[in-house]
Amino acid sequence: GQQVMQIPQYQHVQEGEDFTTYCNSSTTLSNIQWYKQRPGGHPVFLIQLVKSGEVKKQKRLTFQFGEAKKNSSLHITATQTTDVGTYFCAVGRAGNNRKLIWGLGTSLAVNP
Amino acid sequence: NAGVTQTPKFQVLKTGQSMTLQCAQDMNHNSMYWYRQDPGMGLRLIYYSASEGTTDKGEVPNGYNVSRLNKREFSLRLESAAPSQTSVYFCASSPGQANTGELFFGEGSRLTVL
Repeated sequence: GQQVMQIPQYQHVQEGEDFTTYCNSSTTLSNIQWYKQRPGGHPVFLIQLVKSGEVKKQKRLTFQFGEAKKNSSLHITATQTTDVGTYFCAVGRAGNNRKLIWGLGTSLAVNP
Repeated sequence: NAGVTQTPKFQVLKTGQSMTLQCAQDMNHNSMYWYRQDPGMGLRLIYYSASEGTTDKGEVPNGYNVSRLNKREFSLRLESAAPSQTSVYFCASSPGQANTGELFFGEGSRLTVL
């Protein structure tokens, strides 16, 4: 079955440093969603990407969808302590599939 | 709007006991989902319902049953709880199919089976 690899598993940064997490698939994707989960909280939707090569920005967050629609990245510029949490990608497979496949997440810790 | 509401938030069961997790959404969404989240395992889909009256198995359906009571409510039942079902359970909903738009999650139900 399709696998979604998310790297790194953990990342520790100093406040103000940048952070990037990557989501890679072995098959072509129809779309990818990114979620953030704070410690003890529930996943909260950040964004959805559907177009090849798409780039979207939300303040300090930049999301990219690869040209081949098999990978994506989330980049945070100048991290803050409020960025702490686990970032998940969830992908939809090209073709008929109602289900999302979730990555295992990247846990981000930020030292003040 | 309350969004997605799950009850109970915490539950401790003994092996073999049964219980039902309740979930309701007030956003008029068509699709609803039950996930479990375990350390290092990410989110795994247990069951989902694409519309009122329909349910389908996800990745890990064994040991669970679901009921889409109406458009608002989607319950998850453990008939005979096992320690392997100790987990955090999340209910979610979406306007359409999962891979076409945002999922809205409840706050989670933390279940411990002794």
